[in-house]
Amino acid sequence: ETGVTQSPTHLIKTRGQQVTLRCSSQSGHNTVSWYQQALGQGPQFIFQYYREEENGRGNFPPRFSGLQFPNYSSELNVNALELDDSALYLCASSTSSGGAANEQFFGPGTRLTVL
Amino acid sequence: GQNIDQPTEMTATEGAIVQINCTYQTSGFNGLFWYQQHAGEAPTFLSYNVLDGLEEKGRFSSFLSRSKGYSYLLLKELQMKDSASYLCAVINGANNLFFGTGTRLTVIP
Repeated sequence: ETGVTQSPTHLIKTRGQQVTLRCSSQSGHNTVSWYQQALGQGPQFIFQYYREEENGRGNFPPRFSGLQFPNYSSELNVNALELDDSALYLCASSTSSGGAANEQFFGPGTRLTVL
Repeated sequence: GQNIDQPTEMTATEGAIVQINCTYQTSGFNGLFWYQQHAGEAPTFLSYNVLDGLEEKGRFSSFLSRSKGYSYLLLKELQMKDSASYLCAVINGANNLFFGTGTRLTVIP
């Protein structure tokens, strides 16, 4: 069974640029959630995708957008990068089944630095 | 909105017991998770509570009181490897997970 993978591991961008981060979910999982974790803070929920549709969004501006593909992998896109976007971006996958809460399995994260 | 509070830092001695508290006020509740996160690594699952009471799993136990919006994680027989951040997180009816700021635990000899 393959766990959650993310790419790239590290990324350096400049202010105003755009970035795409990628996540492959664990085998059998149909739900992907994205989180932003600043240094010394807990992960902050960005949004979740379930069967290619957005299923909940945290307090993030529209320049944070995402996609989920038929194989349940996902992308996080951030436009017009700002210095405060520098953080660890975590992806987590899970299954959704009839309203019951399910454990989310996290990938290793992508460390984004905006200069 | 979601408001989840936990202490920022705690220190405890190897072999001792430590309790990490978490209080929450959330719109929609479908359970509470505790995750462990070592520096530079991804969070890993420790426990899940949806009903009131204590869940025990080896050296780790987690308690939930839904009426009080309160949970704690209890770590017994502390080991040096338990030095990590402990994240309290509430999941809502849409299976969206909201984390507190995390408690950084340092275990000293």
